[in-house]
Amino acid sequence: EAQVTQNPRYLITVTGKKLTVTCSQNMNHEYMSWYRQDPGLGLRQIYYSMNVEVTDKGDVPEGYKVSRKEKRNFPLILESPSPNQTSLYFCASSGGTVYVSPLHFGNGTRLTVT
Amino acid sequence: AQKITQTQPGMFVQEKEAVTLDCTYDTSDQSYGLFWYKQPSSGEMIFLIYQGSYDEQNATEGRYSLNFQKARKSANLVISASQLGDSAMYFCAMRDLKAAGNKLTFGGGTRVLVKP
Repeated sequence: EAQVTQNPRYLITVTGKKLTVTCSQNMNHEYMSWYRQDPGLGLRQIYYSMNVEVTDKGDVPEGYKVSRKEKRNFPLILESPSPNQTSLYFCASSGGTVYVSPLHFGNGTRLTVT
Repeated sequence: AQKITQTQPGMFVQEKEAVTLDCTYDTSDQSYGLFWYKQPSSGEMIFLIYQGSYDEQNATEGRYSLNFQKARKSANLVISASQLGDSAMYFCAMRDLKAAGNKLTFGGGTRVLVKP
Protein backbone atom coordinates (compact mmCIF):
# COMPACT_ATOMS: atom_id res chain seq x y z
CA GLU A 1 0.00 0.00 0.00
CA ALA A 2 1.31 3.43 -0.99
CA GLN A 3 1.72 5.49 2.12
CA VAL A 4 3.63 7.96 4.24
CA THR A 5 4.50 6.55 7.64
CA GLN A 6 5.22 8.75 10.63
CA ASN A 7 6.29 7.67 14.05
CA PRO A 8 5.46 8.08 16.81
CA ARG A 9 1.78 8.97 16.63
CA TYR A 10 1.83 10.58 20.06
CA LEU A 11 4.79 11.98 21.97
CA ILE A 12 5.01 13.72 25.31
CA THR A 13 8.40 15.09 26.28
CA VAL A 14 10.05 17.70 28.46
CA THR A 15 11.71 20.94 27.51
CA GLY A 16 15.20 20.47 26.15
CA LYS A 17 15.14 16.73 25.55
CA LYS A 18 16.14 16.03 21.97
CA LEU A 19 13.67 14.07 19.88
CA THR A 20 13.26 12.78 16.35
CA VAL A 21 10.05 12.17 14.47
CA THR A 22 10.59 9.69 11.68
CA CYS A 23 8.96 9.83 8.27
CA SER A 24 9.15 7.32 5.48
CA GLN A 25 7.36 7.03 2.12
CA ASN A 26 7.19 4.07 -0.22
CA MET A 27 6.05 5.91 -3.35
CA ASN A 28 9.50 6.88 -4.64
CA HIS A 29 8.55 10.55 -4.33
CA GLU A 30 11.27 13.11 -4.77
CA TYR A 31 9.53 15.87 -2.83
CA MET A 32 8.94 15.67 0.92
CA SER A 33 7.88 18.26 3.44
CA TRP A 34 7.03 18.82 7.10
CA TYR A 35 4.07 20.87 8.34
CA ARG A 36 2.77 21.79 11.72
CA GLN A 37 -0.88 22.46 12.45
CA ASP A 38 -1.99 24.79 15.22
CA PRO A 39 -5.45 26.11 16.12
CA GLY A 40 -6.04 29.49 14.54
CA LEU A 41 -2.81 29.33 12.55
CA GLY A 42 -3.64 26.47 10.21
CA LEU A 43 -0.96 24.38 8.54
CA ARG A 44 2.47 25.89 8.14
CA GLN A 45 5.43 24.47 6.30
CA ILE A 46 8.52 23.83 8.43
CA TYR A 47 11.04 22.35 5.97
CA TYR A 48 10.95 20.75 2.58
CA SER A 49 13.19 18.64 0.40
CA MET A 50 13.22 18.56 -3.37
CA ASN A 51 15.42 15.46 -3.50
CA VAL A 52 18.12 13.54 -1.67
CA GLU A 53 20.57 15.87 0.10
CA VAL A 54 18.50 18.92 -0.93
CA THR A 55 16.59 20.55 1.92
CA ASP A 56 15.38 24.07 2.54
CA LYS A 57 13.51 26.13 5.09
CA GLY A 58 9.80 26.66 4.95
CA ASP A 59 7.83 29.31 6.78
CA VAL A 60 8.59 28.27 10.38
CA PRO A 61 11.96 26.48 10.51
CA GLU A 62 13.27 27.85 13.82
CA GLY A 63 13.97 25.11 16.34
CA TYR A 64 13.85 22.29 13.80
CA LYS A 65 16.31 20.33 11.71
CA VAL A 66 15.83 17.83 8.93
CA SER A 67 17.94 15.52 6.84
CA ARG A 68 17.41 13.67 3.55
CA LYS A 69 20.07 11.05 3.20
CA GLU A 70 17.80 8.60 1.42
CA LYS A 71 14.91 9.24 -0.90
CA ARG A 72 12.34 7.50 1.28
CA ASN A 73 13.22 9.02 4.68
CA PHE A 74 12.84 12.56 5.95
CA PRO A 75 13.17 12.78 9.74
CA LEU A 76 12.30 15.89 11.73
CA ILE A 77 14.65 16.66 14.59
CA LEU A 78 13.95 18.92 17.56
CA GLU A 79 17.30 19.38 19.26
CA SER A 80 15.96 21.32 22.26
CA PRO A 81 12.16 21.23 22.25
CA SER A 82 10.23 24.04 23.88
CA PRO A 83 6.54 24.28 24.87
CA ASN A 84 5.76 26.46 21.83
CA GLN A 85 6.58 23.45 19.67
CA THR A 86 3.60 21.60 21.06
CA SER A 87 1.63 20.91 17.90
CA LEU A 88 0.31 18.37 15.42
CA TYR A 89 3.03 17.54 12.91
CA PHE A 90 2.59 16.12 9.44
CA CYS A 91 5.08 14.69 7.03
CA ALA A 92 4.03 14.72 3.39
CA SER A 93 5.35 13.69 0.00
CA SER A 94 4.48 14.16 -3.64
CA GLY A 95 5.78 13.05 -6.99
CA GLY A 96 5.67 14.27 -10.55
CA THR A 97 4.93 17.81 -11.63
CA VAL A 98 4.58 19.83 -8.48
CA TYR A 99 1.46 21.88 -9.01
CA VAL A 100 -0.61 18.98 -10.31
CA SER A 101 0.49 16.51 -7.68
CA PRO A 102 -1.34 16.14 -4.39
CA LEU A 103 0.60 16.01 -1.17
CA HIS A 104 0.16 12.67 0.56
CA PHE A 105 0.25 13.10 4.31
CA GLY A 106 1.29 10.79 7.08
CA ASN A 107 -1.11 10.17 9.96
CA GLY A 108 0.38 12.93 12.04
CA THR A 109 2.35 13.14 15.27
CA ARG A 110 0.82 14.89 18.26
CA LEU A 111 3.70 16.36 20.21
CA THR A 112 3.36 17.82 23.69
CA VAL A 113 6.35 19.57 25.25
CA THR A 114 6.03 20.30 28.97
CA ALA B 1 0.76 35.42 -3.06
CA GLN B 2 -1.59 32.50 -2.96
CA LYS B 3 -4.69 32.69 -0.81
CA ILE B 4 -7.52 30.27 -0.09
CA THR B 5 -10.77 31.36 1.52
CA GLN B 6 -13.36 29.07 3.01
CA THR B 7 -16.23 31.18 4.29
CA GLN B 8 -18.22 28.46 6.05
CA PRO B 9 -16.67 27.67 9.42
CA GLY B 10 -19.17 24.92 10.10
CA MET B 11 -22.29 23.30 8.77
CA PHE B 12 -24.79 20.57 9.49
CA VAL B 13 -26.06 18.20 6.83
CA GLN B 14 -28.68 15.50 7.03
CA GLU B 15 -27.53 11.97 6.31
CA LYS B 16 -28.04 10.97 2.65
CA GLU B 17 -28.27 14.58 1.50
CA ALA B 18 -25.72 16.45 -0.58
CA VAL B 19 -23.59 19.25 0.79
CA THR B 20 -21.52 21.92 -0.96
CA LEU B 21 -18.41 23.36 0.67
CA ASP B 22 -17.28 26.70 -0.67
CA CYS B 23 -13.74 27.58 -1.62
CA THR B 24 -12.37 30.64 -3.40
CA TYR B 25 -8.76 31.15 -4.29
CA ASP B 26 -6.41 33.82 -5.46
CA THR B 27 -3.24 33.39 -7.46
CA SER B 28 -1.44 35.29 -10.17
CA ASP B 29 -0.18 32.08 -11.74
CA GLN B 30 -1.90 30.40 -14.69
CA SER B 31 -0.69 26.96 -13.68
CA TYR B 32 -2.04 25.69 -10.40
CA GLY B 33 -3.73 22.78 -8.76
CA LEU B 34 -6.62 22.78 -6.31
CA PHE B 35 -7.01 20.06 -3.74
CA TRP B 36 -9.48 19.05 -1.09
CA TYR B 37 -8.52 17.24 2.09
CA LYS B 38 -10.54 15.66 4.86
CA GLN B 39 -9.38 15.69 8.46
CA PRO B 40 -11.46 13.50 10.79
CA SER B 41 -11.31 13.93 14.54
CA SER B 42 -8.53 11.32 14.68
CA GLY B 43 -6.30 13.91 13.01
CA GLU B 44 -5.00 12.41 9.80
CA MET B 45 -5.11 14.45 6.58
CA ILE B 46 -6.77 12.53 3.77
CA PHE B 47 -6.52 13.62 0.13
CA LEU B 48 -9.94 13.60 -1.57
CA ILE B 49 -9.86 15.19 -4.99
CA TYR B 50 -7.79 17.33 -7.33
CA GLN B 51 -8.54 19.87 -10.07
CA GLY B 52 -5.91 21.33 -12.37
CA SER B 53 -6.16 24.84 -13.72
CA TYR B 54 -6.11 23.57 -17.29
CA ASP B 55 -8.66 20.84 -16.76
CA GLU B 56 -11.80 21.55 -18.74
CA GLN B 57 -13.98 19.06 -16.94
CA ASN B 58 -14.87 19.10 -13.29
CA ALA B 59 -13.13 16.44 -11.28
CA THR B 60 -15.10 13.61 -9.72
CA GLU B 61 -14.02 10.90 -7.32
CA GLY B 62 -16.74 8.62 -6.07
CA ARG B 63 -19.16 10.70 -3.97
CA TYR B 64 -16.91 13.74 -4.26
CA SER B 65 -17.06 16.21 -7.09
CA LEU B 66 -15.42 19.55 -7.58
CA ASN B 67 -17.37 22.44 -9.05
CA PHE B 68 -14.59 24.41 -10.71
CA GLN B 69 -15.42 27.91 -11.93
CA LYS B 70 -12.16 29.37 -13.13
CA ALA B 71 -13.42 32.85 -13.96
CA ARG B 72 -14.86 33.18 -10.46
CA LYS B 73 -11.79 31.54 -8.92
CA SER B 74 -13.91 29.08 -7.03
CA ALA B 75 -13.48 25.36 -6.44
CA ASN B 76 -16.39 24.10 -4.40
CA LEU B 77 -16.51 20.54 -3.11
CA VAL B 78 -19.78 18.64 -3.40
CA ILE B 79 -20.30 15.56 -1.28
CA SER B 80 -23.27 13.55 -2.43
CA ALA B 81 -25.30 11.15 -0.29
CA SER B 82 -23.66 12.19 2.96
CA GLN B 83 -22.72 9.49 5.43
CA LEU B 84 -22.06 9.71 9.16
CA GLY B 85 -18.40 9.02 8.44
CA ASP B 86 -18.23 12.23 6.43
CA SER B 87 -18.29 14.24 9.66
CA ALA B 88 -14.90 15.93 9.66
CA MET B 89 -12.98 19.10 8.91
CA TYR B 90 -12.53 19.79 5.20
CA PHE B 91 -9.71 21.87 3.80
CA CYS B 92 -9.35 23.43 0.38
CA ALA B 93 -5.75 23.89 -0.71
CA MET B 94 -3.77 25.13 -3.67
CA ARG B 95 -0.33 24.70 -5.20
CA ASP B 96 0.99 26.79 -8.07
CA LEU B 97 4.23 26.99 -10.00
CA LYS B 98 5.49 29.94 -7.96
CA ALA B 99 4.66 28.52 -4.55
CA ALA B 100 7.62 29.01 -2.23
CA GLY B 101 8.87 25.63 -1.11
CA ASN B 102 6.31 24.05 -3.43
CA LYS B 103 4.03 24.22 -0.45
CA LEU B 104 0.29 23.77 -0.26
CA THR B 105 -1.61 26.85 0.82
CA PHE B 106 -4.61 25.86 2.90
CA GLY B 107 -7.88 27.54 3.67
CA GLY B 108 -9.18 27.79 7.21
CA GLY B 109 -11.38 24.74 6.83
CA THR B 110 -15.07 23.91 7.13
CA ARG B 111 -16.33 21.59 9.85
CA VAL B 112 -19.09 19.29 8.62
CA LEU B 113 -21.36 17.41 10.96
CA VAL B 114 -23.65 14.80 9.43
CA LYS B 115 -26.87 14.24 11.36
CA PRO B 116 -28.63 10.84 11.33
